[in-house]
Amino acid sequence: GENVEQHPSTLSVQEGDSAVIKCTYSDSASNYFPWYKQELGKGPQLIIDIRSNVGEKKDQRIAVTLNKTAKHFSLHITETQPEDSAVYFCAAVPGYKLTFGKGTLLTVNP
Amino acid sequence: DAEITQSPRHKITETGRQVTLACHQTWNHNNMFWYRQDLGHGLRLIHYSYGVQDTNKGEVSDGYSVSRSNTEDLPLTLESAASSQTSVYFCASSRLAGVDEQFFGPGTRLTVL
Repeated sequence: GENVEQHPSTLSVQEGDSAVIKCTYSDSASNYFPWYKQELGKGPQLIIDIRSNVGEKKDQRIAVTLNKTAKHFSLHITETQPEDSAVYFCAAVPGYKLTFGKGTLLTVNP
Repeated sequence: DAEITQSPRHKITETGRQVTLACHQTWNHNNMFWYRQDLGHGLRLIHYSYGVQDTNKGEVSDGYSVSRSNTEDLPLTLESAASSQTSVYFCASSRLAGVDEQFFGPGTRLTVL
């Protein structure tokens, strides 16, 4: 089955800095790569996704890049704000089920 | 507004007891999922359903069962609760299978003593 590795497990940045979270996947059949944000005490919520026929996607301060040859994808958050503090999960979908990475705890210090 | 709800939000039970966690969605989604979240493991799929009367095992299904008698509900049953099943459980639903956003419930924190 699919295996998704996510790094780093924790990330601390100063407000206004950029944050980058990286994921690798194992199954070359994966064709959909969503990113979820989980705030304390809540369920995960989709923030951005990318499909295998696209190399990069941007939505305001967040962007995701995908390198299918190397089987890795990354989340980039620019101009970080305290409300960006949360756990972020990447996922890969080779068929109909999501396989999640283990998560990154992002802390944005004011 | 459409939503997905879980109940109870917190549950404490004893080893060996049967426990059922409820999940109800008003999105009219065919696809529903149960995950458990543990520190160091992220979100792991327990069971999923692509429609009424359809259920499938995920990667950590041992000790759990589900049934789907209607579109809105997918209850998760722990047949004989074990301490290893202490976790936070999330239900999710999606319109399409696979390449579509999953909408998550608020979670149920289960403690097995």
